[in-house]
Amino acid sequence: EAGVVQSPRYKIIEKKQPVAFWCNPISGHNTLYWYRQNLGQGPELLIRYENEEAVDDSQLPKDRFSAERLKGVDSTLKIQPAELGDSAVYLCASSFHGAKNIQYFGAGTRLSVL
Amino acid sequence: GQQVMQIPQYQHVQEGEDFTTYCNSSTTLSNIQWYKQRPGGHPVFLIQLVKSGEVKKQKRLTFQFGEAKKNSSLHITATQTTDVGTYFCAGHNNAGNNRKLIWGLGTSLAVNP
Repeated sequence: EAGVVQSPRYKIIEKKQPVAFWCNPISGHNTLYWYRQNLGQGPELLIRYENEEAVDDSQLPKDRFSAERLKGVDSTLKIQPAELGDSAVYLCASSFHGAKNIQYFGAGTRLSVL
Repeated sequence: GQQVMQIPQYQHVQEGEDFTTYCNSSTTLSNIQWYKQRPGGHPVFLIQLVKSGEVKKQKRLTFQFGEAKKNSSLHITATQTTDVGTYFCAGHNNAGNNRKLIWGLGTSLAVNP
């Protein structure tokens, strides 16, 4: 069974440009998470979806970040416009409610904003 | 707000030495999870502890959950170079939204061969 799939793995853009990340969770996982991880830090939750509903987006910088999970399966995270401080690894994770909420992570997208 | 602290932040050991990382929460946790992240990799689930005072072992790794369910530890016996990485604890709070994990900042382990 495939794990959490993220693309692209790497992205280099200039500041003020838009960027989008895609995530396909493990089949059957109804909960999807987007995290940002800076070097030497732990994952920081940006948004959590239960099916297609965003149930926790309190840490999402809504002026430039947006996310969607239209059909309750795959999800897209967008930044527009990107700033230098957005350089980080963006991790997607999924879990199945009732299965101890163990989170399974994708390989992440490493974003460099120049 | 709720915080989960981990110490130490970094640890260098010689191969064969033991290693312990500690996790402390400002509030009571319903459970605690441990993840390992290899350099350049992503967090991978290791174990979950739920019961007060629970102890679980995975080969050379021993995980403990405190009696008050506010602290936890991970102990590695006789470290190997394959143990290199950052170990994160993450806890679910004891009330309200049970599915929000509060992550520690991690302990980075380096093992000298």
